Formats: sequence, structure tokens, C-alpha cells
Amino acid sequence: EVQLVESGGGLVQPGRSMKLSCAASGFTFNNYDMAWVCQAPKKGLEWVATISYDGSSTYYRDSVKGRFTISRDNAKSTLYLQMDSLRSEDTATYYCARRTRFDYWGQGVMVTVSS
Amino acid sequence: DVVMTQTPVSLPVSLGGQASISCRSSQSLVHSNGNTYLHWYLQKPGQSPQLLIYRVSNRFSGVPDRFSGSGSGTDFTLKISRVEPEDLGDYYCLQSTHFPLTFGSGTKLEIK
Repeated sequence: EVQLVESGGGLVQPGRSMKLSCAASGFTFNNYDMAWVCQAPKKGLEWVATISYDGSSTYYRDSVKGRFTISRDNAKSTLYLQMDSLRSEDTATYYCARRTRFDYWGQGVMVTVSS
Repeated sequence: DVVMTQTPVSLPVSLGGQASISCRSSQSLVHSNGNTYLHWYLQKPGQSPQLLIYRVSNRFSGVPDRFSGSGSGTDFTLKISRVEPEDLGDYYCLQSTHFPLTFGSGTKLEIK
């Protein structure tokens, strides 16, 4: 059974950093591209970033370029999202998802950016 | 960026009835490899989104055949027949042909 479990969310002040993790199991992690998707409270879904199966390629939405870094450790079957210079508008639930068709999703982790 | 225009915003339906959701893209979603990367998701209240349909018309594993997707180029439709209570929630389309990937703004399926 495919499982994606996010961790690392919480309350953080504007301008500070936070790192999210997504532990994957039930499939061969290093065969698949992975992504982060976010959803602000009561809002729709927004793609954040994607990383290729081997980590050689990464893609970001414009609003997070230069501030967020997606990475992966295939030996640990874990996906990461390093979020720096956080802003109030980054407040959202962050989901990790498998493939660019997002066929499996984690349960999500809430990130609140507030002073 | 590709803009995904999803309609309607809200869709009241009767149980047992049929629902239809439209998604239109601001440019063609046909990839240079010939595939069209348009997908549909359902987010039930309090849950993560779940994939229903991938690449326009392919039902994901375990999705009932009451759900069907169609369309081409820039115009796509999700149809739900014989609506059941478990179908209620927010529906989203997603294009993954072009970066940045973009979602439609969502359609809330609710009981009439």
C-alpha cells in the first residue's frame, strides 16, 4: 500500500525557515517524480514544486523560487521542502504527492506563518 | 502560465442524478509527445485530494465507472452519473502538460 506521511509543520514567524519532510513507503521511491502542493485555508489547490525521480531536475512556482528548495533522499525514501524567508501568504496545508499526475497524496501538514 | 477555467463554482445535484463539470485551458494541453495531461481530483470534506481521472479519460484504480472524463485540446469535461452521497465535495482539474502546473479553481458538488 502506497503511503506518504508528511511532518515538520507548525507555527513560524515571518522571515524564518521551516523544513517539511514526507516519508514514502509501499512503492519504489526512486522510480517516481515527487511534488509538493499547498492549499491555503478555505482556498483551492496550488502546485508548489516538483523534483525528478533522481533529483537532477527541479521546478518551482514563481512565488517560491529562490525561497523554497525541494530535495529528496532516495536511500531514505524521503522527500523534503526547505522553506526560507517565509511570508504570511505561505500559510497553508502542504501535501506531498507522487508523480506529476499526483496519483497518491499524503494527509497534509499545516504551516502557519504569523508573528 | 496556463489558466484553467473551471465551471460551475457550485453544482447542486439530486442523489441518483447526473453532474457535469467543465474545465477549459488558456492554451492547448497536448504535449509534444502527443499525450494530454489533464487530470481530475475529488477532495472530500476534511480529506486530502484523491485522483479520479488521469490523462483526460483514464479512471484511476478503484474509481467507480460512474465517473468519466472526456475532451481534447483546451476543452474538458468530468461527468458523474448516479450521484451518491460519497461523491460530495470539491472537484478540481489539473494540467501537468506545462510548467507551472495549474489547477482549476474548484467546483463544489452539493445536494440539491
